[in-house]
Parts: sequence; C-alpha cells; structure tokens
Amino acid sequence: QQQVKQSPQSLIVQKGGISIINCAYENTAFDYFPWYQQFPGKGPALLIAIRPDVSEKKEGRFTISFNKSAKQFSLHIMDSQPGDSATYFCAASQKLQGAQKLVFGQGTRLTINP
Amino acid sequence: NAGVMQNPRHLVRRRGQEARLRCSPMKGHSHVYWYRQLPEEGLKFMVYLQKENIIDESGMPKERFSAEFPKEGPSILRIQQVVRGDSAAYFCASSPSGRYNEQFFGPGTRLTVL
Repeated sequence: QQQVKQSPQSLIVQKGGISIINCAYENTAFDYFPWYQQFPGKGPALLIAIRPDVSEKKEGRFTISFNKSAKQFSLHIMDSQPGDSATYFCAASQKLQGAQKLVFGQGTRLTINP
Repeated sequence: NAGVMQNPRHLVRRRGQEARLRCSPMKGHSHVYWYRQLPEEGLKFMVYLQKENIIDESGMPKERFSAEFPKEGPSILRIQQVVRGDSAAYFCASSPSGRYNEQFFGPGTRLTVL
C-alpha cells in the first residue's frame, strides 16, 4: 500500500514535444505529491508539487495533473528541451510524527533529442 | 546560503569494514532524512532524525546500520561490516521546522563495497 508506481521507465521525446510521465498510488492517506528531477551524479531537486485538493498545477513549462478518484497523477513537460534530459521521480507522502516520509516511484529516464 | 552538504562524495570500502557518511543540513534546518538509492531504482526512505532524536527508523535495516544527529555537528549514517549489497548512493535531505514538505537533497555519497 506504500508503493508508488511510475511509468514509463524510459522516454524519448523530440525537442519541442510534450513529455508525459505517469504515477499511481494506493494509499489514500497520502496528501502531498512532489516531482523531483535528478541529473547524473547529483541529488534530486524538487521540480513541482501538488496537494490532492487541486486537479492541476502549472509552473512554467511543467504541469502536474492530479486525479484523486483514480489515484493517479502525471507530469507534463511542454516544449521539451535537451536540457530537460534527466531522470524524473514522482513521490508521495503523508505527515506522520511531524515527518513527511517520501515514497518514491522507480524513476523515468527522459531523453530529449535535438 | 549553502545547500545540504554530504561527505565524502565517493567512498570505497572492503567487505567487513565500516562506512561513515556525513550530512550537514541547510542552515536553520533541524530535520534530517536519509534515503538509499540502488542502481536504476528510486530512493527508499531509511530514517528521519531531529536534533539528538531518532523519530522514524522504519526504513533502516535491523542490523549493521545506525544513524545519529547530535546537538553539535553533522548527522552520521554508520554502516558496520559492510557487504556488497550495501553499494548504493546514500542521500541526505533536510527540511525546516514547520515546512516539512520542503525536503532539500544533498549531492549524495556513492558507496562502493569491494
């Protein structure tokens, strides 16, 4: 019940295209859903996050779509650029004992072809 | 404002040796999380600490692993009698009090056990 399932494992998109990564969860107590971007040899960096009381959040070229009834959320990267090539992780958490213990998906390796 | 610092960045140990990984949280952050990332996998929660207290260690292996966050100095993740299966990237994240969602990750320590 603590799992977050992410797909696809890898994704190749042409420059200027839309990259879409999907995640699904089981635990309805999760109340925070962030996306992290990780470049090789670096730590994950928070990209964008959403709470379940909204269905969509947009920051620049990055949008999270959230479907509470389906227990799914997705990341859309508009006008994808070669600099977006990285591994993306979705995550979910609930506040317990003052902590937000993040449960991560398996990651999606995104390649943007020039 | 320096980010989360981890050292060493790379650590090589032979089977049976001890590994000590250090994490200095961002200035003003009193919450520290440790995560482990196996090759081609997402990050897995290990332990959550506040100053001088272990709050949640549900992700820590029962044996050989321990963590501390003393009143003064960095948080330490200690692995005794390392085995090849301990080879992974270990990431530390910190968050400020009252803003538990905002976990900022360090660059990680890549442990290789020969």
